[in-house]
Amino acid sequence: AQSVAQPEDQVNVAEGNPLTVKCTYSVSGNPYLFWYVQYPNRGLQFLLKYITGDNLVKGSYGFEAEFNKSQTSFHLKKPSALVSDSALYFCAVNGGSYIPTFGRGTSLIVHP
Amino acid sequence: GAGVSQSPSNKVTEKGKDVELRCDPISGHTALYWYRQSLGQGLEFLIYFQGNSAPDKSGLPSDRFSAERTGGSVSTLTIQRTQQEDSAVYLCASSLEGTSAYEQYFGPGTRLTVT
Repeated sequence: AQSVAQPEDQVNVAEGNPLTVKCTYSVSGNPYLFWYVQYPNRGLQFLLKYITGDNLVKGSYGFEAEFNKSQTSFHLKKPSALVSDSALYFCAVNGGSYIPTFGRGTSLIVHP
Repeated sequence: GAGVSQSPSNKVTEKGKDVELRCDPISGHTALYWYRQSLGQGLEFLIYFQGNSAPDKSGLPSDRFSAERTGGSVSTLTIQRTQQEDSAVYLCASSLEGTSAYEQYFGPGTRLTVT
């Protein structure tokens, strides 16, 4: 079985400040981890993924995520938030099946 | 290139009617997924197609839901005798292959409202 948790329904951050959106997972075997972003009235858009290799993964729009095996976490980060980053963010995990499990999503609000 | 497209973008139907939702995946993508997204909820997996293999229907909530994929490309999700609880956004996604390592590309969704 595989599962993913996004413990925060909403994250608020001021523009220019660093942001973190948290994700923890549970999977048997090696995890494949993904972050997606959903803008209003749009489908999900792929941001980045961890498959193997370096624990720090860089993706689109200046986002990055750090894979931490001991803490079973894959937090999404950005050094300086933009108002345009405001959206719904989903973490997903796949432990070897062809159907990933998505978190419930975290709403990121960046204040001007 | 073209992304995943879905039609219609919005559908309002009366309770008890049948609806068909269409998905055009990215050309060359062998894997296709349908999800349902309700307000305040995450993504609920419905069905998965991979090439010519039998689909994984384990996520379909009832026998009123069915889907097919013709020619390994276009897919149609059909909901018979719609109920108000079927109201949601239905998302289609495709990926290059149906393995763990590949990311999914999502369409814009079809917003279904059952009155």
